[in-house]
Amino acid sequence: DAGVTQSPTHLIKTRGQQVTLRCSPKSGHDTVSWYQQALGQGPQFIFQYYEEEERQRGNFPDRFSGHQFPNYSSELNVNALLLGDSALYLCASSLRSQGLYEQYFGPGTRLTVT
Amino acid sequence: AQTVTQSQPEMSVQEAETVTLSCTYDTSESDYYLFWYKQPPSRQMILVIRQEAYKQQNATENRFSVNFQKAAKSFSLKISDSQLGDAAMYFCAYRSVHSGAGSYQLTFGKGTKLSVIP
Repeated sequence: DAGVTQSPTHLIKTRGQQVTLRCSPKSGHDTVSWYQQALGQGPQFIFQYYEEEERQRGNFPDRFSGHQFPNYSSELNVNALLLGDSALYLCASSLRSQGLYEQYFGPGTRLTVT
Repeated sequence: AQTVTQSQPEMSVQEAETVTLSCTYDTSESDYYLFWYKQPPSRQMILVIRQEAYKQQNATENRFSVNFQKAAKSFSLKISDSQLGDAAMYFCAYRSVHSGAGSYQLTFGKGTKLSVIP
């Protein structure tokens, strides 16, 4: 049973560039949430996707956008990168019919903006 | 908005001993879920234990147990017979039960770094 996978593992970008991060949910899961974890901090909720639509959004600017595909995988896009966007980006999947009771996390993508 | 506070940035415990990690939270809701997640250096967040607020009985998972004090809004994690593999960042998290804005997302504390001394 494959767990949550994320790609790439590490990424280095320059200020002003755009980046796309990818997530494949655990088998059988239909909901994907994205979190940003700055160094030394707890994860912060970015947004959640279900049925290919953004269902909830945290306190993040419109530079952060996402997409969910019919196979439930998801992408996180960040435009006009800032130094402050450097963080570990975590993807979590869950099953909505179970009340999203438990979220399974991927290993994350470490984004460094220089 | 809910907030989660972990007041111990770092803790250490001797191998085979017991350690308790503290967590307090603030919410106006009466029903919710609380979680403890472990994040080892490999970065993957792993669920350790969960507690439903409507249940008075404290959750236990093998060597891990919680002390849930709803009135005090306190949710501490006790690790018994600590092992070297328990060394990690531990995060306390809150999740609303009810549908609507803000539900289903996890609100995390800043974490406690646990070291296990051989």
